[in-house]
Order: sequence, then structure tokens, then C-alpha cells
Amino acid sequence: DIQMTQSPSSLPASLGERVTISCRASQGISNNLNWYQQKPDGTIKPLIYYTSNLQSGVPSRFSGSGSGTDYSLTISSLEPEDFAMYYCQQDASFPPTFGGGTKLELK
Amino acid sequence: EVQLVESGGGLVQPGRSLKLSCLASGFTFSNYGMNWIRQAPGKGLEWVASISSSSSYIYYADTVKGRFTISRDNAKNTLYLQMTSLRSEDTALYYCARWYPRYFDYWGQGVMVTVSS
Repeated sequence: DIQMTQSPSSLPASLGERVTISCRASQGISNNLNWYQQKPDGTIKPLIYYTSNLQSGVPSRFSGSGSGTDYSLTISSLEPEDFAMYYCQQDASFPPTFGGGTKLELK
Repeated sequence: EVQLVESGGGLVQPGRSLKLSCLASGFTFSNYGMNWIRQAPGKGLEWVASISSSSSYIYYADTVKGRFTISRDNAKNTLYLQMTSLRSEDTALYYCARWYPRYFDYWGQGVMVTVSS
């Protein structure tokens, strides 16, 4: 199975700040990388698919990039509703696997 | 509006069985592959099982293979997960999720399964 490693596991940040979350795969995944947001109530929604494609309805302050084994999610200017958990997930190889998550919290 | 509503969770003793359901609405259920994904308390997400739109293809995580069975009834717009020989490590919030090619595009709210004596 492909292992996905996210960093940092916890990210204190302030409103309006620009933040980046990283995700590294144990082998190349050819841009088959997705990002999800989980709110404290457990609600999960996709943000980015195939490295850099914004899911419909997701604000443009979210963006994704990367290639090979290294990928990142960037939020350009944090809004109050962005403080949540974030997970990356690879779809290059079965089974689909997730990163361990990054908790974005208010500094 | 796409909705996925899980049910059937609860407290169950080790070694016993439980069956989860996920009622889908707002889309043509029979056109989409579906999945179960779980999250143990305080942990990350773990894919559990997948089923194709017509049930032709079914896959399981190694951790549940031989104990869990995924199925669907397209006439009832419902996805199922039959769980047997439950262990404490199966304690988790279980989500059903729709598979849009290459990612999970809609998730339910989740249903809690607690395995404890």
C-alpha cells in the first residue's frame, strides 16, 4: 500500500494568514492526489481533486499543487470557517489511502 | 441535493455482528460506485470497502476481509455493510461515501460503532 505522510500534524494560524499543508507519498502517484476537509461535527467534503482541481463550491482561496511524491494544499487567507482537519488521499494505486491529517487551529 | 444517511450503528460485544445501512437520495444511485470509510476515535480516515454500481466489483481492506461484506440494493437506493466477528479495533465512526471517478465526492454524516464488552 502507498503510505501518505502529512505535515505538520498541527498548524496554529491566525485569521488572514496564508498557510500550506504538505503531503508526501511513499512512491510516485502521478498527481492522483485529493484533499478533504473535516469539520468538528464530523462533516467531510472534498476540496481539491487530481492535485489542483477545485471542487465545485469551494472558495478560490484554496489551491493545490505538486507532482511525483510531494503535494501541498494552500489556503491564501484564512477565514474562520477554515479551522478544521485536512486530509490528503491518493488514488494512484489500490487501496486508496489517506494521510494522517493536519489540524488547522486558531493561534 | 445529494444526501447520504447512515444508520444501524451502536454498542456491540466483541465477536458479535452488526449491519450498517446508507440511504442515498438526490442522485441516480445505480450509476455510482459506493464506499465505506471509517475513523477510529481520535484517528485518521481508513478506507474499508468499495462496491461498483452494479455490484460486479467489490473490494475490501485487509483489516476487514473475510469479516465484513459490502452490498447494495439499487431498487432501494441503499448501501449496506454487514460486519461480523467484530473486534475492539473496529470501533469507529463509519461513513458511506460516493465514488466519483478518482475521488470521494459526497460523504454521509457517519454512524458510530462501538465494540466493547
